[in-house]
Amino acid sequence: DTAVSQTPKYLVTQMGNDKSIKCEQNLGHDTMYWYKQDSKKFLKIMFSYNNKELIINETVPNRFSPKSPDKAHLNLHINSLELGDSAVYFCASSQEGGRVYGNEQFFGPGTRLTVL
Amino acid sequence: GESVGLHLPTLSVQEGDNSIINCAYSNSASDYFIWYKQESGKGPQFIIDIRSNMDKRQGQRVTVLLNKTVKHLSLQIAATQPGDSAVYFCAENLPSGTYKYIFGTGTRLKVLA
Repeated sequence: DTAVSQTPKYLVTQMGNDKSIKCEQNLGHDTMYWYKQDSKKFLKIMFSYNNKELIINETVPNRFSPKSPDKAHLNLHINSLELGDSAVYFCASSQEGGRVYGNEQFFGPGTRLTVL
Repeated sequence: GESVGLHLPTLSVQEGDNSIINCAYSNSASDYFIWYKQESGKGPQFIIDIRSNMDKRQGQRVTVLLNKTVKHLSLQIAATQPGDSAVYFCAENLPSGTYKYIFGTGTRLKVLA
């Protein structure tokens, strides 16, 4: 069973379009995250949700809107896609914010977004 | 401040040798640190973690060292194997309640046969 899953794995789209990436975790964790990884492999946190509540919202354009319908899901919707949005987006989850030994962050396989 | 990835440093190591990957973290208030391994086409995978009240922690073939004085972390991998080839990241967690992880630039480890 996949612990953290994301769909789609690849997403190719035109500038200006709106797209969504879905994330689901079956670990019973209470905290979920979205990260962006650029072409140089730099990983940056975008959002963090704890029990469906937004905890962290980094300096991300408001074209990006996360939605957490329940604890097991955290979706990412992106409006008016731009070339600079091309990256790999990772979803992750952890228990208690991941600060307890043995309760580390589990990452999904990533969604490679290419904006043409 | 947060680290900015200009390019990905690479460490090349002979199979069977020990590897040491270094990381400078940014915030002196960070009190929890994690090392991740990311293989090509996959998400980062937890390797080992350490709290700021420790300076060393050992796992299976891996050891993390923490030097808070100079804000430095290292990951030591004993008897490096081809399967260890990956990009390695350190991550720091700001104090309780922030749920925020700041990742380092990453180091690519290449294991030479």
